[in-house]
Amino acid sequence: AQTVTQSQPEMSVQEAETVTLSCTYDTSESDYYLFWYKQPPSRQMILVIRQEAYKQQNATENRFSVNFQKAAKSFSLKISDSQLGDAAMYFCAYRRATSGTYKYIFGTGTRLKVLA
Amino acid sequence: EAGVAQSPRYKIIEKRQSVAFWCNPISGHATLYWYQQILGQGPKLLIQFQNNGVVDDSQLPKDRFSAERLKGVDSTLKIQPAKLEDSAVYLCASSLSSGTWIKRETQYFGPGTRLTVL
Repeated sequence: AQTVTQSQPEMSVQEAETVTLSCTYDTSESDYYLFWYKQPPSRQMILVIRQEAYKQQNATENRFSVNFQKAAKSFSLKISDSQLGDAAMYFCAYRRATSGTYKYIFGTGTRLKVLA
Repeated sequence: EAGVAQSPRYKIIEKRQSVAFWCNPISGHATLYWYQQILGQGPKLLIQFQNNGVVDDSQLPKDRFSAERLKGVDSTLKIQPAKLEDSAVYLCASSLSSGTWIKRETQYFGPGTRLTVL
């Protein structure tokens, strides 16, 4: 069965600094998607960034980028120039790309605090 | 574009009572998801619909939970009877079912319903 592990329950970063959130996953599939979601205190989840497993190029979205290491089954999120609005829970998620179960699997989350 | 709507936002019930949650997805989104998010955990998929058909309900406790999506638009999730361990936030999300994989896989979440079972 696939699993997603976020080993950092909480992280802090100084405003304008860079922080990296870790995510590892376990799967026997070769084709899958990976996601990072942000959940601010209001609890509405927002997609931050996504990655196709077959693409070696790391995805980037403005200040957000990922370090995707397929062999190591690692998918970390880097937030550059951190802003107060980045404070939230961040969830890593996995979904297989082939037909069959479409189940998304989420990690337990990392709470990011941004210090002014 | 209106987002995913959910109601009620909060619900407090006694154990063994029944409760229902409602979700209205973004217009045109054929895929609808219900998640359970227990405090301190990530969301767990309960059921996924494609139009009005069930795609995956492998993690839905079918002895007490039921969900329907009549007419392939809005959806209702019911718990009967509720247990203490059902206390959680219930999230609804929707996505397109066609187009590029990015469009298909981008889920839009509602604000959630926080359920407290006493």
